Amino acid sequence: NAGVMQNPRHLVRRRGQEARLRCSPMKGHSHVYWYRQLPEEGLKFMVYLQKENIIDESGMPKERFSAEFPKEGPSILRIQQVVRGDSAAYFCASSPQGSGGNTEAFFGQGTRLTVV
Amino acid sequence: GQSLEQPSEVTAVEGAIVQINCTYQTSGFYGLSWYQQHDGGAPTFLSYNALDGLEETGRFSSFLSRSDSYGYLLLQELQMKDSASYFCAVRAVDSSYKLIFGSGTRLLVRP
Repeated sequence: NAGVMQNPRHLVRRRGQEARLRCSPMKGHSHVYWYRQLPEEGLKFMVYLQKENIIDESGMPKERFSAEFPKEGPSILRIQQVVRGDSAAYFCASSPQGSGGNTEAFFGQGTRLTVV
Repeated sequence: GQSLEQPSEVTAVEGAIVQINCTYQTSGFYGLSWYQQHDGGAPTFLSYNALDGLEETGRFSSFLSRSDSYGYLLLQELQMKDSASYFCAVRAVDSSYKLIFGSGTRLLVRP
């Protein structure tokens, strides 16, 4: 049973380009979370999605950032017109359900985005 | 809203016992989780407490006091490989039940 798969592991973009980060959840998981982590800092919540539905995007900047989780295929976090401040590790996590209980989240290895 | 507070750094020697505290403020509470993250790695789940008391899993134990909005992770017989960051997390009881993390405690185990 493959874990949460994120790709690419490392991504370098020039300022102004677009970054597309992909996340395939664990088999059977219908909920995906995206987190951003700066070096030696915590995991900051960005967005929470279910298939074809954004449940909570309260942690995502209103401009340049978008996320989707289509019926088929991976979840995508898209950052348009990247700036140096977007450089960070972006982690995706999945869980079989969203509400309540010991709903353990399983994390991917992350995508390290570097904006030059 | 939700907030969690943890010490930023803890140092201990191999073989010792260390306790990492976490205090939280939430509009609703659905249990406290702990995750471990090694440098350059992914966070991995360690434990979950929904009720007051101590949960033991091998060398790691986790404690919760809901009345004090407080929990801790206890690591016994420390090993060098336990050097990592440890995050407490709560599931926000609002419309989305999203998982919110503390800022993390960096544990350094010395020989």
